[in-house]
Amino acid sequence: DQQVKQNSPSLSVQEGRISILNCDYTNSMFDYFLWYKKYPAEGPTFLISISSIKDKNEDGRFTVFLNKSAKHLSLHIVPSQPGDSAVYFCAASRPVGGGNKLTFGTGTQLKVEL
Amino acid sequence: NAGVTQTPKFQVLKTGQSMTLQCAQDMNHNSMYWYRQDPGMGLRLIYYSASEGTTDKGEVPNGYNVSRLNKREFSLRLESAAPSQTSVYFCATATGIGNTIYFGEGSWLTVV
Repeated sequence: DQQVKQNSPSLSVQEGRISILNCDYTNSMFDYFLWYKKYPAEGPTFLISISSIKDKNEDGRFTVFLNKSAKHLSLHIVPSQPGDSAVYFCAASRPVGGGNKLTFGTGTQLKVEL
Repeated sequence: NAGVTQTPKFQVLKTGQSMTLQCAQDMNHNSMYWYRQDPGMGLRLIYYSASEGTTDKGEVPNGYNVSRLNKREFSLRLESAAPSQTSVYFCATATGIGNTIYFGEGSWLTVV
């Protein structure tokens, strides 16, 4: 049962335009959502996050939107740059046993073209 | 500032061999995790340790065992490797507060 879904395996965007990456989840126990970026042969790196009590979080060119009623979140990158080309993973977190358990989506490969 | 260190980075095993992936963190984090990444499958949680002294199964624990040796170290053991365990393995840590997980650079394992 895939609790976190990224239905678009790939996305191609022109440099300077907006990139929108989408993510859906099914478990209402998730209370925190994160986006990670991954380059080939490297570990994923944290990009931006949002608490379930908010609907928007912005950090420079990156904005994450959360729609709790629809169980949907999206990552907007404006303007897109060639260096943004990477795989983006959506993740959802819930508290468990004194820590947190993160569930990841399958990832979206973003390609920013010149 | 090493962060999360995984060893080895690359390993080739024969079916049936055993091996242990080591992970150490210097971030003083409570929670540690082992994920595997496969094409089209994303990052799947194998085992996690919410805090020192505890371990729990994740989504895909079969064929693996873990040991939380101390707060710094969390090892993943394959007792009898199978070709289906060919994957990239990532160790990760989190404070338990704020939820952000920090990943190691990955270990590429091939089972032939």
